[in-house]
Order: sequence, then structure tokens, then C-alpha cells
Amino acid sequence: GDSVTQMEGPVTLSEEAFLTINCTYTATGYPSLFWYVQYPGEGLQLLLKATKADDKGSNKGFEATYRKETTSFHLEKGSVQVSDSAVYFCALSGMNRDDKIIFGKGTRLHILP
Amino acid sequence: EAEVAQSPRYKITEKSQAVAFWCDPISGHATLYWYRQILGQGPELLVQFQDESVVDDSQLPKDRFSAERLKGVDSTLKIQPAELGDSAMYLCASSLGGDTGELFFGEGSRLTVL
Repeated sequence: GDSVTQMEGPVTLSEEAFLTINCTYTATGYPSLFWYVQYPGEGLQLLLKATKADDKGSNKGFEATYRKETTSFHLEKGSVQVSDSAVYFCALSGMNRDDKIIFGKGTRLHILP
Repeated sequence: EAEVAQSPRYKITEKSQAVAFWCDPISGHATLYWYRQILGQGPELLVQFQDESVVDDSQLPKDRFSAERLKGVDSTLKIQPAELGDSAMYLCASSLGGDTGELFFGEGSRLTVL
């Protein structure tokens, strides 16, 4: 079945460092891909998405490119801030309208001032 | 800003007791989801509703879990009897449906079974 694998955390970086959180997927066809973020004490919220190969999703300085050839959707940010400390979830949904969204295990990010 | 409302935020119960969680989705959202998130894991779909109909409940342990969305608006998730392994965060989410893939999550209901 479809699945998402993301790098284990926690990831600890200093402020202004470059961030990469790896995500790879297994799916039939051409799924849509997402990154969700969960800030402390809050519910999950959509950070960015890409619906077809080579699409780049971006939001709040974060970017991820849908790479079909490597089945990857790595999350990147050029300069992280303390406020980026959160848990990040990679997710996918299938091609059909009612396909459920499948989440990875999440990666906890700590940014040190 | 519209939000998904869930209650209770926290629930502590003893095993074999019954528990219930309530969710009120964003107005107009036809699709409602219940996810379970075990500590250190990603959310796992328990049940998905389209209006009042169940679309997917393949991962719902039907011997003890039940979910309903009688009028296609708010929803209740029930566990009876609760087991130790049910301790988790229960997340409700809603969406407009279609292929946008954007789910709006509530803050969750944390269940501890003693």
C-alpha cells in the first residue's frame, strides 16, 4: 500500500541554518504530496503541497519539489528561525477524489537561538 | 477564522470504561475525518465521512470503536470498552473535499487509559 517515510528526529539547528527534512514515498500512480506542520499546542496545519511531478510547493520560506524519479518531496528552508520549531509531517494522497491522506511519522525540529 | 472544534481536550479513564469524543467541523465542509495519533507517530486515519456517509473505515477497530455523523455536520467517536493501547491523541479534521488535499485539524482530544 501507499506509504511515506521521513527522516527521524529530533533535528536541532541553530538559527539561520539551512534546513532539509527528507521525505520519500511509495504510491501507485501520481499522488499529491503535502507537508503539514504542528506547532506546540496547536493542531496540524497545511504548510505546502504539490500535485504533480516537478511542481514546487512553497510557503513561509519553506520549499519542497515533487521528484517523481526519486519519489521524494524533501522540505527545505534557507534560514530557519526559532519560531520554526515544530513537528513536520510529510503526507500523500492518491489520485482519486476520496483517497485518504497518509502521513509520515513526523520530524521534530528544534531551532536554537 | 473558522476552526474545527473538538471536545474534550483531555480525557482520563480506566480500562473497560466508555469514552466519547465530539467534533464540529468548519461550516460547509462536507468531508470529516477522525485520525488517531500515537505519541511519536504520524496520524492514522480511523474513519472518513462524506456528509453523513462513511467513505473509509477500514482501519477502525469496529469491535470497540464507533463513529457517527448523523446530520452530516458534527460527529462523535466512541470507544467501548477502552483499552490501555487506546491511549493516544484523537484528531478531527475537515475539508471541502475534492482534490485540494487541505485538511483543517482541530487541536485534538488526548486520551489516557489507566
